[in-house]
Amino acid sequence: AQSVAQPEDQVNVAEGNPLTVKCTYSVSGNPYLFWYVQYPNRGLQFLLKYITGDNLVKGSYGFEAEFNKSQTSFHLKKPSALVSDSALYFCAVRFTDKLIFGTGTRLQVFP
Amino acid sequence: DADVTQTPRNRITKTGKRIMLECSQTKGHDRMYWYRQDPGLGLRLIYYSFDVKDINKGEISDGYSVSRQAQAKFSLSLESAIPNQTALYFCATSDLTLEQFFGPGTRLTVL
Repeated sequence: AQSVAQPEDQVNVAEGNPLTVKCTYSVSGNPYLFWYVQYPNRGLQFLLKYITGDNLVKGSYGFEAEFNKSQTSFHLKKPSALVSDSALYFCAVRFTDKLIFGTGTRLQVFP
Repeated sequence: DADVTQTPRNRITKTGKRIMLECSQTKGHDRMYWYRQDPGLGLRLIYYSFDVKDINKGEISDGYSVSRQAQAKFSLSLESAIPNQTALYFCATSDLTLEQFFGPGTRLTVL
């Protein structure tokens, strides 16, 4: 069955440290993968996507994600976290003509 | 996300009332979606539409109906609201890669 898993409900990191938010997927065929961010009282905002090409995708606000086909993963990363990165992050995978979203990971960056 | 607007932003209603949530977009996209967000459950698809004459059920369509009045307008109705429909509702549009653009959300409370 097609699915997306975000195994961590919350990730805590100190400001200035690197961060990783994990995502694994299960879908037939070549995946289209997305990351979105949701700040309080806002809609979801697009961060980045992988469709084809380079496995390392760069996106908004200094975020990047690495597609790993053998591990069926698409982890979100940032070299140096900011307090303002604190938000809810969603991974999503395309299935037919829809997106399947993960349950979200809350990122908390401490000063 | 001014390209996708939702009205109202907040609504409190009573059990049994009919409620309509409205969505408008200026992206020029044919594809539009309605999701609900509940804590710990991520985003779940209610209905989606690929053009004015195409309406499709998502994973949780029971208790909801939609109307695609024009390419730019997609409304969601709760015919007889119940408390477990209390949630945050999002409208979204997408391009052909399924990169989605979200509205700011409607917080609905059913008493």
